[in-house]
Formats: sequence, structure tokens, C-alpha cells
Amino acid sequence: AQKVTQAQTEISVVEKEDVTLDCVYETRDTTYYLFWYKQPPSGELVFLIRRNSFDEQNEISGRYSWNFQKSTSSFNFTITASQVVDSAVYFCALSGASQAAGNKLTFGGGTRVLVKP
Amino acid sequence: KAGVTQTPRYLIKTRGQQVTLSCSPISGHRSVSWYQQTPGQGLQFLFEYFSETQRNKGNFPGRFSGRQFSNSRSEMNVSTLELGDSALYLCASSSGPTIGGYTFGSGTRLTVV
Repeated sequence: AQKVTQAQTEISVVEKEDVTLDCVYETRDTTYYLFWYKQPPSGELVFLIRRNSFDEQNEISGRYSWNFQKSTSSFNFTITASQVVDSAVYFCALSGASQAAGNKLTFGGGTRVLVKP
Repeated sequence: KAGVTQTPRYLIKTRGQQVTLSCSPISGHRSVSWYQQTPGQGLQFLFEYFSETQRNKGNFPGRFSGRQFSNSRSEMNVSTLELGDSALYLCASSSGPTIGGYTFGSGTRLTVV
């Protein structure tokens, strides 16, 4: 069975501070994908990143960066110089990469980020 | 190109009734998945349809069912509604049989009273 744990339920920061969201996962699949999604108050899940289990390179996209460590089964997400618009709930998710796994995501419980001006 | 469209956006139903939610995937996408989001249980996978066949199913009672049409549009049905079915129901579509471009719709917020 797959499991994703986001230990932080809520994080509050002041604008321009950095914030790191933790994600730890469990899976028996040898190949899998990891995701981060953002959910603003409107409810739609906005895709941020997909990472293949074979690719352990860290990635940076603007103010966002991701640290994937297979050895510790973690896929952490950092927002640098946070802005009020970053306020949302962020979800880490996991999926097997085989056809049998299909298009099924297992989500963590989410971390609510509140950025205060 | 148009995103994933879910209708209706909001719905209020009475306990015991049934409800049908609709999801139109991105053009060309053949996979549609459904998720239930509640404050207590978080985001949970309901089922996935690929080329009109149910390929995966989550741990939900038989009151939850779905189907996919030849144009890839999908519907999910919940019969004999319970108060606990109040949730945001999200649909996602994907271009292929394995996790790829996975795009979510805005969801249908169902309230059961």
C-alpha cells in the first residue's frame, strides 16, 4: 500500500520569509511518481511538479524548489521569499508508474500555508 | 485548449436522494479519475476510467458508481445519500494509461442536508 505523510498541518510565515513543506512517502513500487499540488481557496488543484523516482536531481522553478531524497523517502518543497499569493493548501502525492497502477494518486493530508503581509 | 470541466459547481441534496456529477476531460484525454475531498478524510481516490472501462477503484461503498462514455466524458453517481457524503468531488483527466499530464477540474461541492 502507498502512503504519503505531511506532518505539518499549518505553517504561518511573514511575507518574504522562506517556507519548507515536508513530505515523506511509503511505496513498494520500484518506479513511481511524486507530485506537489497547490489548492487555493477556489478549490481547484493546481499542478506544481512531477518527479520520476529515477530522477533524484533537485529542481528549481522561480521561487519554488524541490528536494527529492530517495534514501529517506522524502520529497520536500521550499517556497523562497514567500508572497501573500502563496497562501493555499499544498498537497504532496504519489503514484505508481506502471500501467497497472493507472492514474491513481495517493495524497498526503496537506499543509496549509498562510503568508501574512 | 479547454481544461477539465465539472458540472454543476455546487449542489445541495437531501439525505436519501441520489446525485449525478459530470466531468468533461481535456480534449483527447482518455483517462478520467474521481476524488472525494473532505475535512476529515482528506483527498481520497474513488475510481478511474480509461477508454470506458473502470481500471481502478478506491475503498468506497457500492453507493458510489461511475461510468465513462465514448467521448471520454464521465459521470459519477451516488445513491442513497448520507450526510457524510458532503464533500468536494474532484475530477482529473490524463492523456494516457499511466500518470502523465494529470489535470484537475474545479470540482463539484456537494452538500447533503
